[in-house]
Amino acid sequence: SQTIHQWPATLVQPVGSPLSLECTVEGTSNPNLYWYRQAAGRGLQLLFYSVGIGQISSEVPQNLSASRPQDRQFILSSKKLLLSDSGFYLCAWKPTVNSPLHFGNGTRLTVT
Amino acid sequence: AQKITQTQPGMFVQEKEAVTLDCTYDTSDPSYGLFWYKQPSSGEMIFLIYQGSYDQQNATEGRYSLNFQKARKSANLVISASQLGDSAMYFCAMRGYIKAAGNKLTFGGGTRVLVKP
Repeated sequence: SQTIHQWPATLVQPVGSPLSLECTVEGTSNPNLYWYRQAAGRGLQLLFYSVGIGQISSEVPQNLSASRPQDRQFILSSKKLLLSDSGFYLCAWKPTVNSPLHFGNGTRLTVT
Repeated sequence: AQKITQTQPGMFVQEKEAVTLDCTYDTSDPSYGLFWYKQPSSGEMIFLIYQGSYDQQNATEGRYSLNFQKARKSANLVISASQLGDSAMYFCAMRGYIKAAGNKLTFGGGTRVLVKP
């Protein structure tokens, strides 16, 4: 079966520290992968998407970067976290062109 | 560019009654899809219903139905016979199929629904 894994579930990091959030998909090949961020009580903002290995598109200029080192692995990173990076980060993938996005359980990041 | 607007930040609904959540959109894409997601307090995003721009009939999925009015660019979600478990944030989203690269999904700001017993 097709599943998406995202970790960690929660993370508390000090300002200026690095970040690495990982997302993996199982049971499929060459999926479109997405990173979204959700501020408290707000909608989802698309940060990055990838249509293949090494192919990353950035939607919003920011302190974050993304990488796709393997077909089913999508990583969200930062070299130095800012307070404004706090939020709920969701990884998602899409099986086919017309299918809805399937989301991971999310990572709640608090930058202190 | 794509834009989704949900004008109701929050609403109360009595258990067993129906509730309509508003969603309007704007896009230059001639072909697009509209989605509704539910986000309970746990944070997970649960897909509810989909409507394609060329679908002739309004989509229905159990107690969920989508009131699609293409000329008005609206895609309201109707939840019938509300249950306490329906209390959550609800997001409308859109994807363009022709012009939008990467099949990106654009989300509205959400509507918080609280079902009263």
